[in-house]
Amino acid sequence: SYELTQPPSVSVSPGQTARITCTGDALPKQYAYWYQQKPGQAPVLLIYKDSERPSGIPERFSGSSAGTTVTLTISGVQAEDEADYYCQSADNNGTYYVFGIGTKVTVL
Amino acid sequence: EVQLVESGGGLVKPGGSLRLSCAASGFPFSSYDMNWVRQAPGKGLEWVSSISSTSSDVYYGDSVKGRFTISRDNAKSSLYLQMNSLRAEDTAIYYCVRAFFVGAIIGGWFDPWGQGTLVTVSS
Repeated sequence: SYELTQPPSVSVSPGQTARITCTGDALPKQYAYWYQQKPGQAPVLLIYKDSERPSGIPERFSGSSAGTTVTLTISGVQAEDEADYYCQSADNNGTYYVFGIGTKVTVL
Repeated sequence: EVQLVESGGGLVKPGGSLRLSCAASGFPFSSYDMNWVRQAPGKGLEWVSSISSTSSDVYYGDSVKGRFTISRDNAKSSLYLQMNSLRAEDTAIYYCVRAFFVGAIIGGWFDPWGQGTLVTVSS
């Protein structure tokens, strides 16, 4: 079945830039979305339609897309950004949703 | 304020059944497709099922197909998940999520998420 590939972990120092990639064969056809999940909390939408940011999400979060890879960029990382980040999309035929395994971002 | 509140979780024996409910408020429920997403303890997110705004189309993940049934009652702004033949691997927090349409029932994004209800399948 279709899978989205994310790195399991990313470490970054405060104020630096973190980039999380998500790769999938259907990404040129299907939009990708990003969610942030902190311990004990429900996920929160960060990015929709590859690069759009919902109201209330800080500008330091941005998304981009290039072929089969989408990227979530966190610019000027803050301690509060330490969390799990998931990409989400759909298969080529639009019959099921899929999530990446999640990337744990650690702020050093 | 948009709110999704799940209920109905609990401890159930393998092979048993459970019905989850989700009460929606703060938005026109009948205009949105809805979904269930689950998360096993310490694991990632897994999509479970989708239902279109009019209940005309339903979709299921392979791991629950034939055992779970999604439904909704637009008059009550409520979403349901009937879970039968439960297995230990169904143990998870089950989230109710609103979906945004992008031209197909499957393909949009989820926002917001409820706080979830915990289902534990154990003897």
